[in-house]
Amino acid sequence: AQSVTQPDIHITVSEGASLELRCNYSYGATPYLFWYVQSPGQGLQLLLKYFSGDTLVQGIKGFEAEFKRSQSSFNLRKPSVHWSDAAEYFCAVGAGYGGSQGNLIFGKGTKLSVKP
Amino acid sequence: DVKVTQSSRYLVKRTGEKVFLECVQDMDHENMFWYRQDPGLGLRLIYFSYDVKMKEKGDIPEGYSVSREKKERFSLILESASTNQTSMYLCASSLRRWGYTFGSGTRLTVV
Repeated sequence: AQSVTQPDIHITVSEGASLELRCNYSYGATPYLFWYVQSPGQGLQLLLKYFSGDTLVQGIKGFEAEFKRSQSSFNLRKPSVHWSDAAEYFCAVGAGYGGSQGNLIFGKGTKLSVKP
Repeated sequence: DVKVTQSSRYLVKRTGEKVFLECVQDMDHENMFWYRQDPGLGLRLIYFSYDVKMKEKGDIPEGYSVSREKKERFSLILESASTNQTSMYLCASSLRRWGYTFGSGTRLTVV
């Protein structure tokens, strides 16, 4: 069965420092991979997605993620964190076949706090 | 931009009431989803639909039902609200595998 693991429940970084959020997935075929961000009290916003091709994908707000098939990972990175990046981040894998086309499986999320 | 609109941001209902949560999308997406989100548990899929009048159970359908009479509208129904259904409810839509667009969520409190 497909699954997504985000090993870090909560991460605190200083403003201006680099960031890496980890995501590991379990999926039998080539996965469709996504990162979403959720600000407090809001819905989830798509940051970036990977379907195929270049394993380094660029997203909005200066985020990027790298797909590593050998490690079953899709880690999210940002070179310099801003206070406005404080939010919860969700990794997801697409399980879209048959009647459940487009069904995503989400990790439990990583909450990011940013120190001034 | 695709818009997914959830009719209420905050809702307070009494135990035993029948509750309707409405979700409307404006981009002709085939798939629509209802999740609930609770601290420490992440997003859990309640029901989804990949076509009008079609519905599939997700991971936690008990105590809920859904209705999709038109492509753009997907309603979540709590038949008899209970306090353990107090949660944030998120609706999403998608075109096949191209990722979800989420609504802003409805925070439901059952007292």
